[in-house]
Amino acid sequence: SQKIEQNSEALNIQEGKTATLTCNYTNYSPAYLQWYRQDPGRGPVFLLLIRENEKEKRKERLKVTFDTTLKQSLFHITASQPADSATYLCALDIGYKLSFGAGTTVTVRA
Amino acid sequence: DGGITQSPKYLFRKEGQNVTLSCEQNLNHDAMYWYRQDPGQGLRLIYYSQIVNDFQKGDIAEGYSVSREKKESFPLTVTSAQKNPTAFYLCASSIDRQGANYGYTFGSGTRLTVV
Repeated sequence: SQKIEQNSEALNIQEGKTATLTCNYTNYSPAYLQWYRQDPGRGPVFLLLIRENEKEKRKERLKVTFDTTLKQSLFHITASQPADSATYLCALDIGYKLSFGAGTTVTVRA
Repeated sequence: DGGITQSPKYLFRKEGQNVTLSCEQNLNHDAMYWYRQDPGQGLRLIYYSQIVNDFQKGDIAEGYSVSREKKESFPLTVTSAQKNPTAFYLCASSIDRQGANYGYTFGSGTRLTVV
């Protein structure tokens, strides 16, 4: 069955540094992969979508890569700010639904 | 502003009671979804609907029911058959299947607790 794994540990970084989050998956070849941000007690908010034929996509301080050979996506937050503190979820298209990872919680220290 | 409204924000259910969670969207999206979120787990799909008057079971549909009589509305009923209903419930919508171009828009969630 499809399995999605994100960094199991929470990520604590200093303001201004780059946060790098991983999303690994098995047993499927998704046509695209998405990243969401979720704040405590709130619903996820869509950030970026990257397709299987795209290697990299950027949006402001965010960068996503997608390696279909390694079955892995990396999500980078550059020049991080305390306001970036949240849980970040990856999601894969597996035909009839989006399947979500458990998320990685990022805390940016001032 | 367009968006998804879930109500209530907090809901308490007694044993053996059915409760209904509301989800309304004014985005003119065809597809709507219900997910359940438990601590340390990914979102799990309960039901989804690609069009009015049609819906499909997701991965954990047992103990839940839905209806899709209007494009804007996709209510979820948690029945007494659901043995562990305490969770955070999220409703989402998308303009295309599985958010293939623009992702999902989520509501702010309903936290259901069994008392």
